[in-house]
Amino acid sequence: QKEVEQNSGPLSVPEGAIASLNCTYSDRGSQSFFWYRQYSGKSPELIMSIYSNGDKEDGRFTAQLNKASQYVSLLIRDSQPSDSATYLCAVRNYGQNFVFGPGTRLSVLP
Amino acid sequence: DAMVIQNPRYQVTQFGKPVTLSCSQTLNHNVMYWYQQKSSQAPKLLFHYYDKDFNNEADTPDNFQSRRPNTSFCFLDIRSPGLGDAAMYLCATHRQGEYNEQFFGPGTRLTVL
Repeated sequence: QKEVEQNSGPLSVPEGAIASLNCTYSDRGSQSFFWYRQYSGKSPELIMSIYSNGDKEDGRFTAQLNKASQYVSLLIRDSQPSDSATYLCAVRNYGQNFVFGPGTRLSVLP
Repeated sequence: DAMVIQNPRYQVTQFGKPVTLSCSQTLNHNVMYWYQQKSSQAPKLLFHYYDKDFNNEADTPDNFQSRRPNTSFCFLDIRSPGLGDAAMYLCATHRQGEYNEQFFGPGTRLTVL
């Protein structure tokens, strides 16, 4: 069983719509959760971190965490073509290791 | 600005010819990581240093070695690159602490001919 799972996509949304990206994880002891954006040929860029149950908002981005369901999501409001990228979910469990999901490719259509 | 720097950004080597990739950081983070990322895949952790302590992942091939001479620098040595080692190599840093994030350098794209 994969430790961190994401739908690979592609997820296509029209410009201005809300994009919803989902991630599930297997380790109930996980404490820290991160969303990275990765453009093709570039390195991952941290966009959100969340540590407690509930919502965390930063501009157009909202991260949601439900530890009971082992589920973390990222909402992107007013999606722009520049948001088109692969979104990686990462979970930190034991020690210093961060476990990455396979990523969801998002395409925002003009 | 504090940052993670990787050199070179692009590296071409020949099959079997040793290559060294470098990473430096001005963040003064005590943990440094090396990841391998192939197209459309998640970053795969090769190893990490917690201060001077080296932690190798169980499935990292012996062909991959690392050195960390000081807090700021970390090197990835590929002793005999094969065609399957062509990938993006990502260096990342992290300051120990439960709620601290991990920051990535720009990566080195390795091509093996």
